[in-house]
Amino acid sequence: DAGVTQTPRHEVAEKGQTIILKCEPVSGHNDLFWYRQTKIQGLELLSYFRSKSLMEDGGAFKDRFKAEMLNSSFSTLKIQPTEPKDSAVYLCASSLTASAETLYFGSGTRLTVL
Amino acid sequence: TQTVSQSDAHVTVFEGDSVELRCNYSYGGSIYLSWYIQHHGRGLQFLLKYYSGNPVVQGVNGFEAEFSKSDSSFHLRKASVHWSDSAVYFCAVSPNNNRIFFGDGTQLVVKP
Repeated sequence: DAGVTQTPRHEVAEKGQTIILKCEPVSGHNDLFWYRQTKIQGLELLSYFRSKSLMEDGGAFKDRFKAEMLNSSFSTLKIQPTEPKDSAVYLCASSLTASAETLYFGSGTRLTVL
Repeated sequence: TQTVSQSDAHVTVFEGDSVELRCNYSYGGSIYLSWYIQHHGRGLQFLLKYYSGNPVVQGVNGFEAEFSKSDSSFHLRKASVHWSDSAVYFCAVSPNNNRIFFGDGTQLVVKP
């Protein structure tokens, strides 16, 4: 029974590059979340999808961050262009029901922007 | 505005000690409350949740949490910790509209 899969585990980018992070949610889950995690800010919601529809796009992250859910089993998070302050761990999570009772998280992608 | 407050950023105990990690929230309606654990280099893992009924809920690995409406709290406890319990613990609040709010986390260090 596969959990949430995120690739790559680590990404190093030069300032100004475009990077794409990938996420495969748990099969059958309807909700998908992208979070950014840093020591200073903690967990910040970037995007939230329900049944592939974008429900929330993270407000302050609209500018250079774009999440897409191409089908129910695959999502991407594009950062364009990257900046050093984007260095963080990016976590993807999915949940089964609309009540968001339990989130299943991937292991995350650690992004370093030089 | 919903908020989740974890007053202790760091807690250090010895193996075999009991521990309580505190969580307070501010929200007036019906909510889900939950705890997650994050080991170094991993994603968050669900520990337990509360919505209604018995205010003391049992989770995995001997963890339990108690809901208190009067205190707006949902503290996590374990009677006897193991070194493998060293991790960051996140309290989370979710109103019925699916928005989930996480606390800043409490780093638990269990010394041998």
